[in-house]
Amino acid sequence: LAKTTQPISMDSYEGQEVNITCSHNNIATNDYITWYQQFPSQGPRFIIQGYKTKVTNEVASLFIPADRKSSTLSLPRVSLSDTAVYYCLVGDTMNRDDKIIFGKGTRLHILP
Amino acid sequence: DTGVSQDPRHKITKRGQNVTFRCDPISEHNRLYWYRQTLGQGPEFLTYFQNEAQLEKSRLLSDRFSAERPKGSFSTLEIQRTEQGDSAMYLCASSLVPLAYEQYFGPGTRLTVT
Repeated sequence: LAKTTQPISMDSYEGQEVNITCSHNNIATNDYITWYQQFPSQGPRFIIQGYKTKVTNEVASLFIPADRKSSTLSLPRVSLSDTAVYYCLVGDTMNRDDKIIFGKGTRLHILP
Repeated sequence: DTGVSQDPRHKITKRGQNVTFRCDPISEHNRLYWYRQTLGQGPEFLTYFQNEAQLEKSRLLSDRFSAERPKGSFSTLEIQRTEQGDSAMYLCASSLVPLAYEQYFGPGTRLTVT
């Protein structure tokens, strides 16, 4: 499993775009990059997954450069309700035997 | 609501007592996971099932912990002779093989051992 490094915490203001970067220098060819969001007292929620370039859904965008050694989760125009912990995970999602290992994530705090 | 339910949501027990938690996954999901989470940490993997087969157990899972998934549907996690260090949030998740990284989590069961 590739090791990931992400900031422990970040602060931003309502209405701003927030970018959280994750480093994964040892990413393997078959690995995907997955992000989860966790609100207090709730289970994590899958938000986005990608392999290369850019992926966008209704919640976020995920930018992955050509070398895939890092990725950036982008949250457009955040609101107070985006305050949560965001986890970056890297692994072979198609590997039947693989399991995900969560780190400590990035604690995002949105200020009014 | 992800479609994964857990019961109970909260459990307070005295040290030495046994507790059992239940997880009902999304019905078509064949893989079910258990995690434990303490304050300020990410979820820690405990064990997972594919259908009714328990495929892996973490070394964190002492022999006081046992999990079952009869008939490949709901799952139970039992902790025998609880200790104060067992106090945590116990999370269940399910997924559809082979999408192991796209897991859907339940709301968790918060265990407090006094």
